[in-house]
Amino acid sequence: AQTVTQSQPEMSVQEAETVTLSCTYDTSESDYYLFWYKQPPSRQMILVIRQEAYKQQNATENRFSVNFQKAAKSFSLKISDSQLGDAAMYFCALGGGADGLTFGKGTHLIIQP
Amino acid sequence: DTAVSQTPKYLVTQMGNDKSIKCEQNLGHDTMYWYKQDSKKFLKIMFSYNNKELIINETVPNRFSPKSPDKAHLNLHINSLELGDSAVYFCASSQDRIGSPLHFGNGTRLTVT
Repeated sequence: AQTVTQSQPEMSVQEAETVTLSCTYDTSESDYYLFWYKQPPSRQMILVIRQEAYKQQNATENRFSVNFQKAAKSFSLKISDSQLGDAAMYFCALGGGADGLTFGKGTHLIIQP
Repeated sequence: DTAVSQTPKYLVTQMGNDKSIKCEQNLGHDTMYWYKQDSKKFLKIMFSYNNKELIINETVPNRFSPKSPDKAHLNLHINSLELGDSAVYFCASSQDRIGSPLHFGNGTRLTVT
């Protein structure tokens, strides 16, 4: 079975600062993918970033980047220059095998103006 | 031109009733899913369909039944609704089972009274 653990139920950051959200995972699959999704109060699920496990290079999307440590099974999300619109629940997700996507319990990110 | 659309957006009903949630995707994806998000925001997969074949069925009560008339639709039928069924239900689709991100609908908030 696959598991995803997000150990930070809530994080707070000042606007324009940088914040890192933690995620660890466990899987027996050799081929898998990792994702971060954002869920603002509108409850829409928005894909933030995607990482292929076979790629050593960390994925980046504008102000969002990941630190993927395969041996440690760690997949953290860094948000640079935080903006008020970044306030949301952030879910780490693991995909591989026949189990669809397995989600962590989420981190509620608060942006302080 | 919404990619994944589900209706209704809100559903309030009494215990014991039977209800359906509809989902349609216009992305040409092969796989569709239903996820349940509970009051603590935890997302758990319920079903997935690939080319009209059920490929995942987690420990979901048999009161819940997915129905897929064609590749673009995956409806969720719920019989004999219970209080514990109150949640947000998300439909999603993806291009294949491994690696492709999920595209989510906007969710249906089901409230059972």
